[in-house]
Amino acid sequence: DQQVKQNSPSLSVQEGRISILNCDYTNSMFDYFLWYKKYPAEGPTFLISISSIKDKNEDGRFTVFLNKSAKHLSLHIVPSQPGDSAVYFCAARDPWNNNDMRFGAGTRLTVKP
Amino acid sequence: NAGVTQTPKFRVLKTGQSMTLLCAQDMNHEYMYWYRQDPGMGLRLIHYSVGEGTTAKGEVPDGYNVSRLKKQNFLLGLESAAPSQTSVYFCASSPGTTSDTIYFGEGSWLTVV
Repeated sequence: DQQVKQNSPSLSVQEGRISILNCDYTNSMFDYFLWYKKYPAEGPTFLISISSIKDKNEDGRFTVFLNKSAKHLSLHIVPSQPGDSAVYFCAARDPWNNNDMRFGAGTRLTVKP
Repeated sequence: NAGVTQTPKFRVLKTGQSMTLLCAQDMNHEYMYWYRQDPGMGLRLIHYSVGEGTTAKGEVPDGYNVSRLKKQNFLLGLESAAPSQTSVYFCASSPGTTSDTIYFGEGSWLTVV
């Protein structure tokens, strides 16, 4: 029962353009959403987060949008850079289950020079 | 700056053998976690601990045991390894319930033949 879904296993964009990574969830009790970035042979690292009481959070080139009614969030990277090439995991926190963090399957982003 | 350290990084086991993965964190975090990552499945929580001397089951606990005898260490044990436990294992830690960030180790690659 995957409560967090990333339906696109891969995405390829040109350097300088926008990258949009999508994530859907099913549990309306999730109160916090995070994006993690993972390079090969490394552990995931935190990228950006958003509380369920907000609909947008921005940090430099990275913006996360949350649409609670659609149970959907997205990560925008503008402009995309080759160093952004990595696997991106969407995660959601369940406050009613000891803050259990549920992860999506990940989207592999490739930014071409 | 060590952060979260996992040992060993790589291991090949025969079916039925036992082993222990060790995780150590130097950030004085209360919470520690063990995840496994499989293709198309994202990161799934095996067990977690909310403090020294406590452990709890996550999403996929069967076939694993854990112990948190010291605050800085979290051990994951496989009593009788099975090929289905071939995976990449990630240890992680976080300060506690108010934290929105989990810090991951670099991963341990386990193959059961």
